[in-house]
Amino acid sequence: GENVGLHLPTLSVQEGDNSIINCAYSNSASDYFIWYKQESGKGPQFIIDIRSNMDKRQGQRVTVLLNKTVKHLSLQIAATQPGDSAVYFCAPTGGSNYKLTFGKGTLLTVNP
Amino acid sequence: GAGVSQSPSNKVTEKGKDVELRCDPISGHTALYWYRQSLGQGLEFLIYFQGNSAPDKSGLPSDRFSAERTGGSVSTLTIQRTQQEDSAVYLCASSLEGVSRQPQHFGDGTRLSIL
Repeated sequence: GENVGLHLPTLSVQEGDNSIINCAYSNSASDYFIWYKQESGKGPQFIIDIRSNMDKRQGQRVTVLLNKTVKHLSLQIAATQPGDSAVYFCAPTGGSNYKLTFGKGTLLTVNP
Repeated sequence: GAGVSQSPSNKVTEKGKDVELRCDPISGHTALYWYRQSLGQGLEFLIYFQGNSAPDKSGLPSDRFSAERTGGSVSTLTIQRTQQEDSAVYLCASSLEGVSRQPQHFGDGTRLSIL
C-alpha cells in the first residue's frame, strides 16, 4: 500500500505570510496527486491536483510542486489568511488505483 | 453548483441497531466512493461504484456493511447490528469518471456515534 507521510504535522504562520506544506510518498507508480483541505466538521475539499508529467501547477494563491526524483510534493499558499486554517492532506494515486489514501495531514494555523 | 450531499450529518444510535447513510453525488458523476475516517486511522476505503459495473466491495470491513447505488445516482451505506468500533465519520465522494486521474469530491460526511 501507499506510505504517505508529512514532514510537519503542524504549521503555524502569521496572516499574510506564505505557507509551505510538504508531503512525501513512497509508491513510485503514483502519477496523479491531489491536495485536499479539511476544516473541522467538514469533508475534504479539493484544492489542486497535478499529474506526473508536470513539475509545477498554479491555482489561485496556491502552487503545487512535484519532485518525482525524491518522491516529494509541496503545497505553497501565498498570503495565508485565517480562512486557510485547516488540515491539509496530499493524496497520491496512480494507474488503476482509485482508492485515495491520506496521511495524517498537516494542521495549518494562521494567526491574525 | 451543488456538491456531494450526505445525510444525516450526525447519527447517534445504540449498539446493535441498524443504520442507513445516504449519499447524493454531483450530477453527472459516474463514479461514487464510500470512505471511513476516524481519528488516528486516516482515510479508509470502503466501496466503489462505477456506472453499471459490479462494485468494488473490497474495503468493507465485515458482512455487516453493505451498500447499493440505485439508478446510477444516489447511494446508501447500511450497517447492520452496529458495534462501537463502527463509530467514525463516513464520507462519500464522487468523480466524473471512475479513473484514477480525476479528482474525487467529498461530501461533509455522516458522523456516526454508537453508544
